[in-house]
Amino acid sequence: EDQVTQSPEALRLQEGESSSLNCSYTVSGLRGLFWYRQDPGKGPEFLFTLYSAGEEKEKERLKATLTKKESFLHITAPKPEDSATYLCAVQAGGDMRFGAGTRLTVKP
Amino acid sequence: GAVVSQHPSWVICKSGTSVKIECRSLDFQATTMFWYRQFPKQSLMLMATSNEGSKATYEQGVEKDKFLINHASLTLSTLTVTSAHPEDSSFYICSARMGSSYNEQFFGPGTRLTVL
Repeated sequence: EDQVTQSPEALRLQEGESSSLNCSYTVSGLRGLFWYRQDPGKGPEFLFTLYSAGEEKEKERLKATLTKKESFLHITAPKPEDSATYLCAVQAGGDMRFGAGTRLTVKP
Repeated sequence: GAVVSQHPSWVICKSGTSVKIECRSLDFQATTMFWYRQFPKQSLMLMATSNEGSKATYEQGVEKDKFLINHASLTLSTLTVTSAHPEDSSFYICSARMGSSYNEQFFGPGTRLTVL
């Protein structure tokens, strides 16, 4: 059965303290891996799509990477406004399957 | 980026009434639209997938007679919660995708439903 596991469940960082969020997956026939950011009471906001192992994408302080088994979302020198829940999702076949998310809190 | 809207953003209703939620893709044509449900501090749970002009495909355990989905055009899908009960209170989020399943989904802002 397809599975998506995100770790850690919650992460607290000081402003400027870089770190990484992990998304490990077991799916057959990966069509794409997606990262979203979700703020409380709002819908997820699209960040990145990764399609093949070795692919990397960057946006401001965020960088997403992909291997055959997992993806990392690296956050460099985070700011308090980066606080949110980050969701990883994989598309295999017809369904997009979401991980449980990592709740990131960045303290000033 | 692509924009998806939902209306209403929140709704409070009495038990036994029906509530309709609209989902619109504002600047693109959505081949497929999805409806999710999210409980506090939990991830998104897919309820159903709909393609324009076709019947929706419901996930296991989701009652199709209770959650009516209509995808009448490439820019509009509606979810009607029929005879709502307090246990239906949740955050409902739609998403839309253009083209193939290799493409990303764009999400609406969500609708908070509270059933008294």
